[in-house]
Amino acid sequence: EIVMTQSPATLSVSPGERATLSCRASQSVSSNLAWYQQKPGQAPRLLIYGASTRATGIPARFSGSGSGTEFTLTISSLQSEDFAVYYCQQYNNWPPVTFGGGTKVEIK
Amino acid sequence: EVQLVQSGAEVKKPGESLKISCKGSGYSFTSYWIGWVRQMPGKGLEWMGIIYPGDSDTRYSPSFQGQVTISADKSISTAYLQWSSLKASDTAMYYCATYSSGWYNDYWGQGTLVTVSS
Repeated sequence: EIVMTQSPATLSVSPGERATLSCRASQSVSSNLAWYQQKPGQAPRLLIYGASTRATGIPARFSGSGSGTEFTLTISSLQSEDFAVYYCQQYNNWPPVTFGGGTKVEIK
Repeated sequence: EVQLVQSGAEVKKPGESLKISCKGSGYSFTSYWIGWVRQMPGKGLEWMGIIYPGDSDTRYSPSFQGQVTISADKSISTAYLQWSSLKASDTAMYYCATYSSGWYNDYWGQGTLVTVSS
């Protein structure tokens, strides 16, 4: 089973600032990586798939990069609605598909 | 518009059985894999397994194999997650989600909260 490790666990950012979230895989997952956003009391929402492709309707301030074992989600200028928990997910080797433990982006 | 509507919250006792549902609409139900994700209170997401309603091909995470049963009734566009004997540790939110374009979850249900307590 591939282990996904996200860092940091919590990121404190001021509105308008850039946020950079990291995700590391225990072995190569090629570009088969997705990012999700989850707000309290809501289901997760797909942001990025294929490591760097934005899902339908996702604002351009969200961008993904990386391949192999190291991945990054960047939010270029944080808006109030972006404060949430973000999860990475690998779908290269499954079952099982595996998720990272999440990064909580909170208001500084 | 793709929609997944899940059944309502459940409160059960340890040892009881349970079957929760997820009804798909707005797409060809037999054409997309659909799966289940667990989220225990205050914790992250865990992939449980998936089913292809077209032929009922089912895959499980090793962590959940033998603990739950995933099924689907294509005649009513509904997927199910079932327990034969619940434990307190099954207390969690359960989400269904589709795989329409790849092995990532593009559409999600609203979640079903399962509480198991004596």
